[in-house]
Amino acid sequence: DAGVIQSPRHEVTEMGQEVTLRCKPISGHNSLFWYRQTMMRGLELLIYFNNNVPIDDSGMPEDRFSAKMPNASFSTLKIQPSEPRDSAVYFCASSLGPGPLNTEAFFGQGTRLTVV
Amino acid sequence: QQPVQSPQAVILREGEDAVINCSSSKALYSVHWYRQKHGEAPVFLMILLKGGEQKGHEKISASFNEKKQQSSLYLTASQLSYSGTYFCGTVESGTSYGKLTFGQGTILTVHP
Repeated sequence: DAGVIQSPRHEVTEMGQEVTLRCKPISGHNSLFWYRQTMMRGLELLIYFNNNVPIDDSGMPEDRFSAKMPNASFSTLKIQPSEPRDSAVYFCASSLGPGPLNTEAFFGQGTRLTVV
Repeated sequence: QQPVQSPQAVILREGEDAVINCSSSKALYSVHWYRQKHGEAPVFLMILLKGGEQKGHEKISASFNEKKQQSSLYLTASQLSYSGTYFCGTVESGTSYGKLTFGQGTILTVHP
């Protein structure tokens, strides 16, 4: 398997523009996570899906952020409108799902977002 | 709720040992440890379960004190390749779907 695939790898956008980040999890994995990484806060969990259903979105910072998982092989994280403080590296990760030893998370390479 | 890691940074010489700690205010089902090299994605090191079962790395060990909701990662005889940021991730008890929350990370630098 190619692992978790994220696109784009880098995104530079102007404040106020819409940004869409994409993620393809590992085939057969039932859980998908979106994390945001900054120096100040480390890896923050934004939202967590299980079997395509959003289970916990308490980490989504504001209404400007939204995430979808229309099927088992694709998820998006959208920011509209974007602001400079959204600049960070956004990681998508997937795991087999709940179960004692099935929660190892595999990370994509991340999307480095810069909002100017 | 994010677990808390300490120390925030460690500087070692090759061959020295280090301990990284992780604590939570919540009852935990499992603790994960990941390492991230600069510019790369975090990579799984090991998982420790409530009850003592674990799966992970050959050269790095860890402990999990369920009563204190704490875990420690032990890096012995450190190598240059150990440099990176270490994250602990926790799954809280009662979280039926494996929600994995990470701490802020500990930056480990190993010098020759």
